[in-house]
Amino acid sequence: DAGVIQSPRHEVTEMGQEVTLRCKPISGHNSLFWYRQTMMRGLELLIYFNNNVPIDDSGMPEDRFSAKMPNASFSTLKIQPSEPRDSAVYFCASRTGLAGGSGELFFGEGSRLTVL
Amino acid sequence: AQSVTQPDIHITVSEGASLELRCNYSYGATPYLFWYVQSPGQGLQLLLKYFSGDTLVQGIKGFEAEFKRSQSSFNLRKPSVHWSDAAEYFCAAGGSYIPTFGRGTSLIVHP
Repeated sequence: DAGVIQSPRHEVTEMGQEVTLRCKPISGHNSLFWYRQTMMRGLELLIYFNNNVPIDDSGMPEDRFSAKMPNASFSTLKIQPSEPRDSAVYFCASRTGLAGGSGELFFGEGSRLTVL
Repeated sequence: AQSVTQPDIHITVSEGASLELRCNYSYGATPYLFWYVQSPGQGLQLLLKYFSGDTLVQGIKGFEAEFKRSQSSFNLRKPSVHWSDAAEYFCAAGGSYIPTFGRGTSLIVHP
């Protein structure tokens, strides 16, 4: 069974460019999380979806960041315009919503973003 | 607010030695507790989890963790570390729908 699939695995872009990161959660999982990982701040939750609806986006840094989940099998995280401080590894994770807080998260392998 | 603290940023052990990684949580009730491992360039993978019942939990790769309510702790242990255990380890607490992660502990294994 395929795990959480993220693309691209690596992205190098220049400041001011738009960046779109993609995630395909595990089939049947109806909770989806976007995290950002940096050395300075560790693992930060950006946004949480349940049944394709954004439930908590308080971790989204600013208006330059947006996330969508148009259906149960696809989500995007967009940064426009990108800045060097956005350089990080972005993780997508999914979980079966039936388990509530007791369910483990399944993580993708991450998208490493470098903004020059 | 709930929080998870991993007091050790780095831990260095020799291969074959025992290991204990510390985790303390602050929560209104007994949370669901997890340990995840992150190998370089990879996502996080679940090692083990505690919901209720037996306070000593067995996980994958020979790891175990013990829940101690009186100390609000959920420490991860392994009796004999292998070089392949070098990774980042994260403790997490659930209970609400959004889990809270600690900052992680980096494990360095010397040959």
